[in-house]
Amino acid sequence: DGGITQSPKYLFRKEGQNVTLSCEQNLNHDAMYWYRQDPGQGLRLIYYSQIVNDFQKGDIAEGYSVSREKKESFPLTVTSAQKNPTAFYLCASSRDRENTEAFFGQGTRLTVV
Amino acid sequence: AQSVTQLDSQVPVFEEAPVELRCNYSSSVSVYLFWYVQYPNQGLQLLLKYLSGSTLVKGINGFEAEFNKSQTSFHLRKPSVHISDTAEYFCAVNPNDYKLSFGAGTTVTVRA
Repeated sequence: DGGITQSPKYLFRKEGQNVTLSCEQNLNHDAMYWYRQDPGQGLRLIYYSQIVNDFQKGDIAEGYSVSREKKESFPLTVTSAQKNPTAFYLCASSRDRENTEAFFGQGTRLTVV
Repeated sequence: AQSVTQLDSQVPVFEEAPVELRCNYSSSVSVYLFWYVQYPNQGLQLLLKYLSGSTLVKGINGFEAEFNKSQTSFHLRKPSVHISDTAEYFCAVNPNDYKLSFGAGTTVTVRA
C-alpha cells in the first residue's frame, strides 16, 4: 500500500538534546511538508520541500532543520534551540507543486522530559 | 497572506442530528479549499476539497461543503451524524502557492 510513514510514534527527549523524526513516502510525490500541532492552534508549517535537494522555511522554522536528499524521505531534526518542542508533529506530501491534495502520516508525539 | 477562521471550537451534537461546521477565510487571490478530519492521535484524512467548478462539494462519509466566494466561506455539513463522526475537523486553504493554512480546528462530539 502507498502512503506516508512516520517514526517513531512516540518520542521522549531530554532537554538540550537534538532528535530526528523520520518521514518516508512511497507515493512518488514531489512535495513534502512538516507541521507542528498544538492544542487549539491547528497546524503550523515548519518546513516544506518541493523537490529533492531543495527546501524552504515555513512559518515556525526556528529551532528546526530538515534535509531532502531523496525524493521519498524528509527527516526533521528538532534541535536544542527549539524552546518548546513538546508537540505532535505531522508529515505530509502532495503530488504536485500546486498541492491540490496533501496526504498525512500518522504523526509523532514528541515529549521533552 | 491568508488566514482561516473556524468559528466554533467545540460542537456537541446528538446522534442522527444535522451538524454544520463554519469556516471563513481571507485571501486576495483564488484559493483551493479543504476539510480534513483527525481522530485522536492520528494523522489527518481528507474529507473533501474545492478546486473549481460546482460550489457544492460532496465528500466521504456523507459530508458536503459549499463554497461561497462573496462571503469567503466554506462551511461543512452533514445531515445526520453518527457516533463515529466524533473527531476534530480542520478547514484549510491553499492560495495556489502550495502552502496549506489551517484553521484552529473544531471538535465535534456526538452523543447518543
